[in-house]
Amino acid sequence: QQQVKQSPQSLIVQKGGISIINCAYENTAFDYFPWYQQFPGKGPALLIAIRPDVSEKKEGRFTISFNKSAKQFSLHIMDSQPGDSATYFCAASKDTGRRALTFGSGTRLQVQP
Amino acid sequence: DGGITQSPKYLFRKEGQNVTLSCEQNLNHDAMYWYRQDPGQGLRLIYYSQIVNDFQKGDIAEGYSVSREKKESFPLTVTSAQKNPTAFYLCASSFYNEQFFGPGTRLTVL
Repeated sequence: QQQVKQSPQSLIVQKGGISIINCAYENTAFDYFPWYQQFPGKGPALLIAIRPDVSEKKEGRFTISFNKSAKQFSLHIMDSQPGDSATYFCAASKDTGRRALTFGSGTRLQVQP
Repeated sequence: DGGITQSPKYLFRKEGQNVTLSCEQNLNHDAMYWYRQDPGQGLRLIYYSQIVNDFQKGDIAEGYSVSREKKESFPLTVTSAQKNPTAFYLCASSFYNEQFFGPGTRLTVL
């Protein structure tokens, strides 16, 4: 049972545009929602994370929007750059017990110059 | 430099062999994790350990084994019982929820 669904699978954006990636979760016990960026052949790097007590968090060009009632969250990359071309994963975990992350299937972002 | 190291970077295994992947961290994190990544897919949890001398099976533990004798180390053994071991293996450690990943080991079965 896939507990975190991510879309789209791939995304092409022009330089300077906004990239939007969406995730939906099923387990209401999840209370930590990070986004990771992964370049080919490398380990994922933590980009930004949010907890359900806030609806939005911004760090530089990256913003997470969170909708608790809809059980959805999204990543917005403003002013997308070619260097942002990578695979992005959303994830979710609980704050107690098993804290291992449950990952979405990933979105391959390509930013065209 | 604080971080997570994994070795080797590339590993080739013949069918029927057991191989051990190394994961070391100097972040003083209590929890450590092993994930498997297949092409075009997300990461799936193999095993995790929240404290020394204790570990739990993840979602795809069959054919794998681990040990956690030291806080800094969490080696993963891929046994001959794992039918499709070719994948990218990622180790992570965490302070509470924030997980940090190593550079990965790419295992190929010949």
